Amino acid sequence: DAGVIQSPRHEVTEMGQEVTLRCKPISGHNSLFWYRQTMMRGLELLIYFNNNVPIDDSGMPEDRFSAKMPNASFSTLKIQPSEPRDSAVYFCASSSGTGSYNEQFFGPGTRLTVL
Amino acid sequence: AQSVTQLGSHVSVSEGALVLLRCNYSSSVPPYLFWYVQYPNQGLQLLLKYTSAATLVKGINGFEAEFKKSETSFHLTKPSAHMSDAAEYFCAVSVPASGGSYIPTFGRGTSLIVHP
Repeated sequence: DAGVIQSPRHEVTEMGQEVTLRCKPISGHNSLFWYRQTMMRGLELLIYFNNNVPIDDSGMPEDRFSAKMPNASFSTLKIQPSEPRDSAVYFCASSSGTGSYNEQFFGPGTRLTVL
Repeated sequence: AQSVTQLGSHVSVSEGALVLLRCNYSSSVPPYLFWYVQYPNQGLQLLLKYTSAATLVKGINGFEAEFKKSETSFHLTKPSAHMSDAAEYFCAVSVPASGGSYIPTFGRGTSLIVHP
């Protein structure tokens, strides 16, 4: 299996622009998670989906952030408009089932820089 | 509320020395605990997990962790550090969430530095 795939790996944009991050989970996994990692805040859970349905988006920082999962093999995280404080590494992770002991498989991340 | 505390944002050891990374948790229900490792410019990957079977859990790359309920701890150890162990290590506790599923709460991470 190719693992969790994220694109792009690096994104540099200017403040005010729209940014779209993409994720393809591992085939057969039914839970998908979006995280943001910064030096200041560590690893933060933004939103997670179960069977393509958003379950908890309480970690989404503000209305500028939105996430979708139109089918089991694709998810997007959109920031519109972007701001310099959104600069971070964004990770997508997937897992099978909803059991408490199910490990998460992380993608390589997208490093976002907003100028 | 559940939480994870990793003591020490940085741990420095010499190659061949014992590695000890500390993790304490709080949970209102029996916890499921994990250690993940993150190498530079990569995502997190699972080292080991505790799922209420044996309290001493063995993972990849010679790492192990012991669940101690009385101390609410799940410290990670390795008898002899290798240069390739230099990475960021995250402890996580899995807790019940909305919709009957479980999501992990991650600690802030500990950066392991290995000196030659």
